[in-house]
Amino acid sequence: GQQLNQSPQSMFIQEGEDVSMNCTSSSIFNTWLWYKQDPGEGPVLLIALYKAGELTSNGRLTAQFGITRKDSFLNISASIPSDVGIYFCAGQHNQAGTALIFGKGTTLSVSS
Amino acid sequence: DAGVTQSPTHLIKTRGQQVTLRCSPISGHKSVSWYQQVLGQGPQFIFQYYEKEERGRGNFPDRFSARQFPNYSSELNVNALLLGDSALYLCASSRTTVNEQFFGPGTRLTVL
Repeated sequence: GQQLNQSPQSMFIQEGEDVSMNCTSSSIFNTWLWYKQDPGEGPVLLIALYKAGELTSNGRLTAQFGITRKDSFLNISASIPSDVGIYFCAGQHNQAGTALIFGKGTTLSVSS
Repeated sequence: DAGVTQSPTHLIKTRGQQVTLRCSPISGHKSVSWYQQVLGQGPQFIFQYYEKEERGRGNFPDRFSARQFPNYSSELNVNALLLGDSALYLCASSRTTVNEQFFGPGTRLTVL
């Protein structure tokens, strides 16, 4: 099935560092979402973006909806150990019956 | 309010058997979507239901079927199980088909 191009695949950082990950698509989306998934659990919604160029924050997380509507990025500032997990981007076309299209995920490891 | 609930948590079946997975959406949400997540990948869309009607279907064989009940809960059925059906099956609920989707904890299906 279709998946978005998400990078990097994995990151190993020190506690306190900032993190940046991005997602690109060959098609235009009307909505971009970012989720975090811990082992054995379902994805948890972090940020939802609805307009091209939109910049939205949720605590230490900031995400942007690319102007071309084909990309999005997520930044995490001052990382902490509980940020460990897999981060997924997802795009949606906002038509009835359209699915979320997910990236393959970015695995984040934080050492204290 | 309770989040999305799924049952069972884990399930072990043998090839050729049939399985039924259940999902209860967040109160007030009328749309349920099903996703399959294999290890190392992002979730893949299977079905979306809204107001008891199928609104979207992903690229999965006819062995996969689903339905939504008047109380908006949903079941996913998989017939003639194959080893490749082993995965985490996620249910997501949303107010309508175009709003943010919130995921349940998933059902881990193992086919032997």
